[in-house]
Amino acid sequence: DADVTQTPRNRITKTGKRIMLECSQTKGHDRMYWYRQDPGLGLQLIYYSFDVKDINKGEISDGYSVSRQAQAKFSLSLESAIPNQTALYFCATSDPWGDNEQFFGPGTRLTVL
Amino acid sequence: QKEVEQDPGPLSVPEGAIVSLNCTYSNSAFQYFMWYRQYSRKGPELLMYTYSSGNKEDGRFTAQVDKSSKYISLFIRDSQPSDSATYLCAVNTGGFKTIFGAGTRLFVKA
Repeated sequence: DADVTQTPRNRITKTGKRIMLECSQTKGHDRMYWYRQDPGLGLQLIYYSFDVKDINKGEISDGYSVSRQAQAKFSLSLESAIPNQTALYFCATSDPWGDNEQFFGPGTRLTVL
Repeated sequence: QKEVEQDPGPLSVPEGAIVSLNCTYSNSAFQYFMWYRQYSRKGPELLMYTYSSGNKEDGRFTAQVDKSSKYISLFIRDSQPSDSATYLCAVNTGGFKTIFGAGTRLFVKA
């Protein structure tokens, strides 16, 4: 089984709809991240969490919110989706005592019409 | 100016060729340098990891860091069709935040 899973894998929605993307991990890591990937821009950090009670905004958090329900679960919400939020979204985890390696989920392809 | 610059390609080479992938970065505080490989419809996976300057070799892959010119490279020898993927360079100061390049798409033709 995959260490980091994301649901759904693909989602098409309409402008103004609320969307939740979910991430679960079995690696036992405290640190979790949400990124979006756009062609030519690389991975941009949306939110990150060091533990259940420690959640922080990344460089592009506007229009997004997150919830850390447990050590293993980290959800990303788009309260009112807009077309420029069409992107690939990745969840990742890391071990603070590791070598800065991040472990990524398979991604969610989100299209906002 | 982006903190990490990477040519998006695509780069197309014949099987068996030597591939050179490169990135430049702007902040001299970066100490950790990584290359991630991303196959289509998958998340990135760490391929190589280097601390400070110098070379690191792992099989057909060599990572090279030149801190004086803020230049990092990944060389792939005897490239295979299975190497076809997007390669992302990444840098880190030693904290939690990693800055990723935009990725270079590589195609290795059989």
